[in-house]
Amino acid sequence: DAGVIQSPRHEVTEMGQEVTLRCKPISGHDYLFWYRQTMMRGLELLIYFNNNVPIDDSGMPEDRFSAKMPNASFSTLKIQPSEPRDSAVYFCASSIGGSDYGYTFGSGTRLTVV
Amino acid sequence: QQQVKQSPQSLIVQKGGISIINCAYENTAFDYFPWYQQFPGKGPALLIAIRPDVSEKKEGRFTISFNKSAKQFSLHIMDSQPGDSATYFCAARGTDSWGKLQFGAGTQVVVTP
Repeated sequence: DAGVIQSPRHEVTEMGQEVTLRCKPISGHDYLFWYRQTMMRGLELLIYFNNNVPIDDSGMPEDRFSAKMPNASFSTLKIQPSEPRDSAVYFCASSIGGSDYGYTFGSGTRLTVV
Repeated sequence: QQQVKQSPQSLIVQKGGISIINCAYENTAFDYFPWYQQFPGKGPALLIAIRPDVSEKKEGRFTISFNKSAKQFSLHIMDSQPGDSATYFCAARGTDSWGKLQFGAGTQVVVTP
C-alpha cells in the first residue's frame, strides 16, 4: 500500500485565493482526519470523517474552511478565501476505528499564503 | 483545552543517554495511549502504544511506562542516538470518542553526538 497520499506537497498562493488540498486514505480505513500543524498551536484536529460522514468539525476555524469526502478513497479540504494566518502544514491521516494500529499520516501539504 | 499535557517542550541529550518524555491526562475514558515520532518534513508516525491494563511496554530502545492511578505515562528512549532526533507526540483515545486521538503538544528531542 502506498500509504496516505496528499497533494500538493507545497502550495503558495496569494491572499484571497481559493486553495484545495487533497487526500487519498489507505484502502479499508474507515476514519479520515484533517490536521493543521503550526509552531504556535501544534497539531490541531480540524475535522474527521467516519465512513465518509463528517463526525466532528468543531476544529474548523471559520466558515472559510470546508471539507468533503465524496467517497471512501478521496477527501478535500478547501479554504476560501485564504489568509496569511492559514499558512501551516496540513496533514491528512486515516485509521481503522478502534484498532491499535493508530493513525497513518500523509506527508502533509505545506501551505504558504502571501 | 488540551486533554493530554506533555512535557518537556524540548530536550537535549547526549548520544547514549536516556530521553524521558512525560504525559498526563484527566479523562478516565481513555483506553489507548500511542506515541508518535515526527521527522522534519514528514508526517507523524506511530512509534509504540500501550493499553492501561499493562504498566510497561518495551520495543527495542523505546519503553512506555504507564501509571493508571496517577493518570500519567512516559516514553523512555534508551541509548539515545542522533537518528532519534525528532519531535515526539503522546496521544490518547477515549471510548467516548471512538477513533479520535487527543495529541499532546509535542517534545523536540535533540541527540548530540
